[in-house]
Amino acid sequence: QKEVEQDPGPLSVPEGAIVSLNCTYSNSAFQYFMWYRQYSRKGPELLMYTYSSGNKEDGRFTAQVDKSSKYISLFIRDSQPSDSATYLCAMILGGTSYGKLTFGQGTILTVHP
Amino acid sequence: GAGVSQSPSNKVTEKGKDVELRCDPISGHTALYWYRQSLGQGLEFLIYFQGNSAPDKSGLPSDRFSAERTGGSVSTLTIQRTQQEDSAVYLCASSLVGAAQHFGDGTRLSIL
Repeated sequence: QKEVEQDPGPLSVPEGAIVSLNCTYSNSAFQYFMWYRQYSRKGPELLMYTYSSGNKEDGRFTAQVDKSSKYISLFIRDSQPSDSATYLCAMILGGTSYGKLTFGQGTILTVHP
Repeated sequence: GAGVSQSPSNKVTEKGKDVELRCDPISGHTALYWYRQSLGQGLEFLIYFQGNSAPDKSGLPSDRFSAERTGGSVSTLTIQRTQQEDSAVYLCASSLVGAAQHFGDGTRLSIL
């Protein structure tokens, strides 16, 4: 079993839909959580960076962390075709906020006009 | 520079040759990371530098892989005697201490 599980999709939604992306993890020592977006042939681009349980909002994006359930989510409101990409969750172990990232497999999202 | 810069963007080489991949981090970022992304394995950590030292090399897959960082800035990842299973995209990231990692666009390595 992988330390971080993420449904690879693919996920296809119409423009304007609310998208929900999720990851579960097995190690309760993960403390810092990130969401990255990756376009084809590009590097991952940081979208959200959270530490505590609860919600964090940035524009159309909301990141949610539930440490008790070992579950994180990313919501995209009013999705646009430009949101079509692979979304990767990532997390860091332990008491420091730096160090190796452990990634989920990524979810391929297509938003069609 | 404005972002993490990696060179070359693409590299094709023959099995058994050595390759060097370069990473220029964001100016002022003290932490630098190397990852590998392949279809079957996803994104995997290779090595982490803080300044010029590497406190975590746990992801390097074999002794054919090595990395160094000089002047707290540029880093080079070297793969000796390349094998076909080394074909992947090699990504570099950098960060300030305690902050999130920012990635370059990677080097796409193909071993013939």
